[in-house]
Amino acid sequence: ETGVTQTPRHLVMGMTNKKSLKCEQHLGHNAMYWYKQSAKKPLELMFVYSLEERVENNSVPSRFSPECPNSSHLFLHLHTLQPEDSALYLCASSQDRSRPLGNEQFFGPGTRLTVL
Amino acid sequence: GQNIDQPTEMTATEGAIVQINCTYQTSGFNGLFWYQQHAGEAPTFLSYNVLDGLEEKGRFSSFLSRSKGYSYLLLKELQMKDSASYLCAVYTNAGKSTFGDGTTLTVKP
Repeated sequence: ETGVTQTPRHLVMGMTNKKSLKCEQHLGHNAMYWYKQSAKKPLELMFVYSLEERVENNSVPSRFSPECPNSSHLFLHLHTLQPEDSALYLCASSQDRSRPLGNEQFFGPGTRLTVL
Repeated sequence: GQNIDQPTEMTATEGAIVQINCTYQTSGFNGLFWYQQHAGEAPTFLSYNVLDGLEEKGRFSSFLSRSKGYSYLLLKELQMKDSASYLCAVYTNAGKSTFGDGTTLTVKP
């Protein structure tokens, strides 16, 4: 248990569906992250939120839409995905991304997404 | 941009010592992290180095040379449960962490 939870753990969706991934951190951290991890590929940073403000968007297609309503919750809204979007989606949080000592990231268990 | 290199795979024997290297080229370097990721699980934080030198934490140690753009993770008294991927991540003064591709370590009896 890292203090970061994600739901659902597994999701299968069609290309026309709309779904949302949820992440919650119970650590009092100020920064939250979405990563994509495909088979045999490195972690790809998608979005970063710091104090509920999006500070980084790494050229992610618009079919992925993040939302951070408060510092403890992070969502990833999905619509009209493609089969190549099938991957493990990991959420992470860190205490304070402005300094290395506070930037160690605590990861949730991930959502295994399959797009048919 | 940033460039991070790690060996793709390594194999070692139970009880032995293994060193996993990570080299990087980046601007605004401000620290390096090591994470462990077991198959099918999320990464977990192992260590970080900001200054040159060796940081020891039980069976695991991490070393950093900022001038050489080089770090290594040293695992002693290897156990079967140490079989996992080991990711190095470079942190910059822009507050950004970038992960390497990871090194898959297989520990054999």
